[in-house]
Amino acid sequence: AQSVTQLGSHVSVSEGALVLLRCNYSSSVPPYLFWYVQYPNQGLQLLLKYTSAATLVKGINGFEAEFKKSETSFHLTKPSAHMSDAAEYFCAVSDYNFNKFYFGSGTKLNVKP
Amino acid sequence: DAGVIQSPRHEVTEMGQEVTLRCKPISGHDYLFWYRQTMMRGLELLIYFNNNVPIDDSGMPEDRFSAKMPNASFSTLKIQPSEPRDSAVYFCASTRQIQETQYFGPGTRLLVL
Repeated sequence: AQSVTQLGSHVSVSEGALVLLRCNYSSSVPPYLFWYVQYPNQGLQLLLKYTSAATLVKGINGFEAEFKKSETSFHLTKPSAHMSDAAEYFCAVSDYNFNKFYFGSGTKLNVKP
Repeated sequence: DAGVIQSPRHEVTEMGQEVTLRCKPISGHDYLFWYRQTMMRGLELLIYFNNNVPIDDSGMPEDRFSAKMPNASFSTLKIQPSEPRDSAVYFCASTRQIQETQYFGPGTRLLVL
């Protein structure tokens, strides 16, 4: 079975600073991993996903995430934060074998001018 | 494609009334998910269907909640009787396979007075 943990419910960075949002999963088999973003008053939309093709996955708006099997992590990064990145970010994992899907608890990113 | 369609977008009702939320998934998507989002509890998976069959309803809060999917293009989430603590944004999402991207609707904002 799978589960996903996001460390830090709130993260605050200055504009132009590095963004790092942490996600760890528990799995005994290679998972499918996702990052979704939710802007205020909107639904969730896909930022990027890992499907075992490459460990470094590039997404929209300059975000990327690296799958590290040894650390069971899939942290989301962006070199330089922009004010428009302020949103809530959700890590998610799907377990194809058990036909299950799990969202993390979410991390709200605040970008300071 | 029009994306996932939810109706109504906003619903205000009084405690004790029946509320029905509707969702039309993207054509060809075999999975449909119902989520609830509140400030206190975050994003919660309520139930999901595969080929119109409920797979996991362990997230449904109590017997007052029920969900149906009579065909591949329509699902309902019903609350009867509604209570103020049911006030939340309810999202519907669909996907072709459990390991693929979920596409979210715009949500229904429910307020129970």
